[in-house]
Amino acid sequence: EAGVAQSPRYKIIEKRQSVAFWCNPISGHATLYWYQQILGQGPKLLIQFQNNGVVDDSQLPKDRFSAERLKGVDSTLKIQPAKLEDSAVYLCASARTDTQYFGPGTRLTVL
Amino acid sequence: GEDVEQSLFLSVREGDSSVINCTYTDSSSTYLYWYKQEPGAGLQLLTYIFSNMDMKQDQRLTVLLNKKDKHLSLRIADTQTGDSAIYFCAEIPSGGYQKVTFGIGTKLQVIP
Repeated sequence: EAGVAQSPRYKIIEKRQSVAFWCNPISGHATLYWYQQILGQGPKLLIQFQNNGVVDDSQLPKDRFSAERLKGVDSTLKIQPAKLEDSAVYLCASARTDTQYFGPGTRLTVL
Repeated sequence: GEDVEQSLFLSVREGDSSVINCTYTDSSSTYLYWYKQEPGAGLQLLTYIFSNMDMKQDQRLTVLLNKKDKHLSLRIADTQTGDSAIYFCAEIPSGGYQKVTFGIGTKLQVIP
């Protein structure tokens, strides 16, 4: 089966600009996660969806980050405005039960 | 809250066994996962173990779980240069809808 797809793979923006990432989960996976992975650290959960509802967004900086999962399939994560400390890899994962499968990630560089 | 700790770095010679260690804090029933991340790539699921198991073997990989000490290890037999990567331990409480906690990752360097 096809894996989790993410785009773009790389993005370079200047601080205060906006950026959006897209994720297409594995078909049939009801749960979708967005993680932020800063260089040298493990992934940190930003938001978890179950179908199109938010299960956990306690670590999402809601003043600048937003995410949606329309129709319970694809998801977008947006940052507006970006800060230097947002430079990281943004990973999307999906799961049918408890086991998560990850996409390749989007590497964001904020200058 | 949950916490997962790993050593940062491990260096082994090709052909030797590698043992990567992890400790966790959640005492409730949980899944424990090992993921591999190569440079520029996402996380690849290697194996997982449920907390009512002591050991799981999958080809060159052996996972050992010491529930009393909340200690998890991943043994890679006959380590190859292609095993060079960062290995993440992750703790996931069972039952879904629970927050996943990843360790900081152990960088495995395999010397030819």
